[in-house]
Amino acid sequence: QSALTQPASVSGSPGQSITISCTGTSSDIGDYNYVSWYQQHPGKAPKLLIYDVTYRPSGVSSRFSGSKSGNTASLTISGLQPADEADYYCSSFRNSGLWVFGGGTKLTVL
Amino acid sequence: QVQLVQSGAEVKKPGASVKVSCKASGYSFTDYEINWVRQANGQGLEWMGWMNVNSGNTGYAQKFHGRITMTRDTSISAAYMELSGLRSDDTAVYYCARGLRRPEYWGQGTLVTVSS
Repeated sequence: QSALTQPASVSGSPGQSITISCTGTSSDIGDYNYVSWYQQHPGKAPKLLIYDVTYRPSGVSSRFSGSKSGNTASLTISGLQPADEADYYCSSFRNSGLWVFGGGTKLTVL
Repeated sequence: QVQLVQSGAEVKKPGASVKVSCKASGYSFTDYEINWVRQANGQGLEWMGWMNVNSGNTGYAQKFHGRITMTRDTSISAAYMELSGLRSDDTAVYYCARGLRRPEYWGQGTLVTVSS
């Protein structure tokens, strides 16, 4: 079960916007609107940021937004803050009835 | 408030089995799926499988087929993940999470170390 493809790292300056991509196939991202995004700080459990491609759980900042085009989903973080420095993971439902994660992206806030 | 509290760290020898528990509170246990995710040190998240807590039906990632068993005890709102035939590369932090499409609540993680 190969993982979804994410860039290993991205960076940005405070106040800027960045986008993290997550590329899958027609068997997962391309065929289902069940893409989630997580933020994980070192030593902590993952925190859900986005579910069903574009929805934010209550309490998650509107600076985080999700989208999808074809087989690729994206997470955009606007107004970067130092606290946003973390690892980010995407996940998607697959037509096998199972779920899969991306390899993770390390965000550095310069 | 919703809480998932996992059992404590474990040290196991290669070939042994480990059973991690995940005790839920603050919501109706049978209303949500439980899924299990693990993370080796310095590595990414790896989805292991899920369980429909109401029916007991399960789905496992192919990688773990034959080695993993997920169960639950609805009388005490607890879910369990048992992994057998442990190898050194099973050393990881294991997490339970509530729900599949919207896993907002996670356990604190259980470190399982496999070492001879």
